[in-house]
Amino acid sequence: SQQGEEDPQALSIQEGENATMNCSYKTSINNLQWYRQNSGRGLVHLILIRSNEREKHSGRLRVTLDTSKKSSSLLITASRAADTASYFCATDEWGFQKLVFGTGTRLLVSP
Amino acid sequence: EPEVTQTPSHQVTQMGQEVILRCVPISNHLYFYWYRQILGQKVEFLVSFYNNEISEKSEIFDDQFSVERPDGSNFTLKIRSTKLEDSAMYFCASSEPILETQYFGPGTRLLVL
Repeated sequence: SQQGEEDPQALSIQEGENATMNCSYKTSINNLQWYRQNSGRGLVHLILIRSNEREKHSGRLRVTLDTSKKSSSLLITASRAADTASYFCATDEWGFQKLVFGTGTRLLVSP
Repeated sequence: EPEVTQTPSHQVTQMGQEVILRCVPISNHLYFYWYRQILGQKVEFLVSFYNNEISEKSEIFDDQFSVERPDGSNFTLKIRSTKLEDSAMYFCASSEPILETQYFGPGTRLLVL
């Protein structure tokens, strides 16, 4: 897998269902962040989880981090049509300032 | 809520021309970044900037690129002699301390003809 590679690449669900997206990475990280991007638009920060944290919640979002497996998951509960977007994980490493983005998961939530 | 702003939202230029993309980071942030996203591809890091100097740059950020903080609020990316492959969405971001949440602007879509 590439650094910050998400799967699935695309996910299609019905409103009210839960959506789970996964992210894998290769290096040791300081933080892992999830961003959302509506088609052709900017990146909206959703949540940051630190390397010493295992789970974090924000509203309908739940993020887990398993540093032993170098993976993270983003769960969106009770999805809405407005959640339709691409979701990216981004990692940063100690000593580096840049974020390394994954390939993204395109989520389609149908009414 | 404070946000990062970018201008222009769209820019069309001829190959070989210079462009300047402008960003206003969140006011109390100290670290500034430029990223780009070629259509259908990943978001890629270009450069980070702190204390009026470049602190990190990627291989993409070659001599045709430069950044500047000309005053207390603006942060600019200059691309000298644009190439067709510079066509992309360019995002500015800022963060308060390093290694914390980076907040992104809405992007400038650059099209080089």
